[in-house]
Amino acid sequence: EVHLVESGGGLVKPGESLRLSCSASAFIFSDFGMTWVRQAPGKGLEWIASIVPSGTDKYYADSVQGRFTISRDNIKKSLFLQMNTLRVEDTAVYYCARDPCRSAKCYLNSWGQGTLVIVSS
Amino acid sequence: DIQMTQSPSSLSASIGDRVTITCQASQDINIYLNWYQQKSGKAPKLLIFDASHLDPGVPSRFSGSGSGTHFTFTINSLQPEDIATYYCQHYNHFPLSFGGGTKVEIK
Repeated sequence: EVHLVESGGGLVKPGESLRLSCSASAFIFSDFGMTWVRQAPGKGLEWIASIVPSGTDKYYADSVQGRFTISRDNIKKSLFLQMNTLRVEDTAVYYCARDPCRSAKCYLNSWGQGTLVIVSS
Repeated sequence: DIQMTQSPSSLSASIGDRVTITCQASQDINIYLNWYQQKSGKAPKLLIFDASHLDPGVPSRFSGSGSGTHFTFTINSLQPEDIATYYCQHYNHFPLSFGGGTKVEIK
């Protein structure tokens, strides 16, 4: 069974940085696009970043462009989200999700349980 | 960027009812539309991809239709376990985006 486990969330102050990780198992990680989606408390889903299987192409939402960096390590079967210059409005549960298309632009058919990031002074 | 408008934002229906949710895209997205179910405190789950294809293991009471800018998601015979929020999502091109969600409750 496909398994995705996020980690790295926590409480940080505005302007600080945080690095999220997503560990994958039970599928060939290097064959799949991967995506980060977040959900602010009581709000809907927001797509924030995607990466193709090779890691060469990356895509970002305007809300995080220039502050967040998505990356992956196919040997370690891990996905990352480096979040810099965090803002209060970045407070959310962050989910990693698997995309079966090599374009990383398809559908998200497996999701992790999410990790909570709180940005507060 | 493509905006996805879902309606209604919430609904209340009885067990056994047919429930319909619509999703409107701000521009033509062909059939590049997915539907997800999110139960309280849980991660989203893919139900339908490419507008009308049921993900394996998803009950057949769920269905989707549409193309272009107008899409419909239907639950035939609402069950207690269908209580959740449902989201549409386009993948015509980046940036991807989700609709605002429809919260389904039991009357």
